[in-house]
Amino acid sequence: EAGVTQSPTHLIKTRGQQVTLRCSPISGHTSVYWYQQALGLGLQFLLWYDEGEERNRGNFPPRFSGRQFPNYSSELNVNALELEDSALYLCASSLLGQRFQETQYFGPGTRLLVL
Amino acid sequence: DQQVKQNSPSLSVQEGRISILNCDYTNSMFDYFLWYKKYPAEGPTFLISISSIKDKNEDGRFTVFLNKSAKHLSLHIVPSQPGDSAVYFCAASPYSGAGSYQLTFGKGTKLSVIP
Repeated sequence: EAGVTQSPTHLIKTRGQQVTLRCSPISGHTSVYWYQQALGLGLQFLLWYDEGEERNRGNFPPRFSGRQFPNYSSELNVNALELEDSALYLCASSLLGQRFQETQYFGPGTRLLVL
Repeated sequence: DQQVKQNSPSLSVQEGRISILNCDYTNSMFDYFLWYKKYPAEGPTFLISISSIKDKNEDGRFTVFLNKSAKHLSLHIVPSQPGDSAVYFCAASPYSGAGSYQLTFGKGTKLSVIP
């Protein structure tokens, strides 16, 4: 069974540009989560999508946005890039269901460098 | 406000010995806890989880213990192998009642298993 996939693997952008990152969840998973891991920092929650709806967002500015498609894949968009947006962006998916069964499985990440 | 704390940034253990990684949390609403293993520039890999209704969960060489009164959990790896060398993240999730919620991660502990 294929795991969570993300594209692209690496990206270099300049300040002020916009970027779109993509994620395909594990087959059958309806929830997609986005996390940011900046250099030297832990994993910070960005966004949670389920059944095409944004369910929750972390403490990030509105220029971080996304969407989930009918096939449950997801995009993360970052507008007006800033240097501090340089980070590893991780996507995870899970199957919503019974309590204690909702483990999140992560993709390999997209490494974004903003110059 | 760091709700999940891993106070040891690094740990070195001899091959064949036990590795013990610790994690403390402050949010009483957390009721599902997970450990992930992460290599540089890769996504976290799920290792093992424990729910708040248990105090121990085993999977092969990995055992997680939960002490709810102390708000403390630990991951034991026995015996430790050089391939276990990685950064280990503790994560916690509150019970939302509506399914999975975002994970709150600790900052990680870098485990080095010395041959």
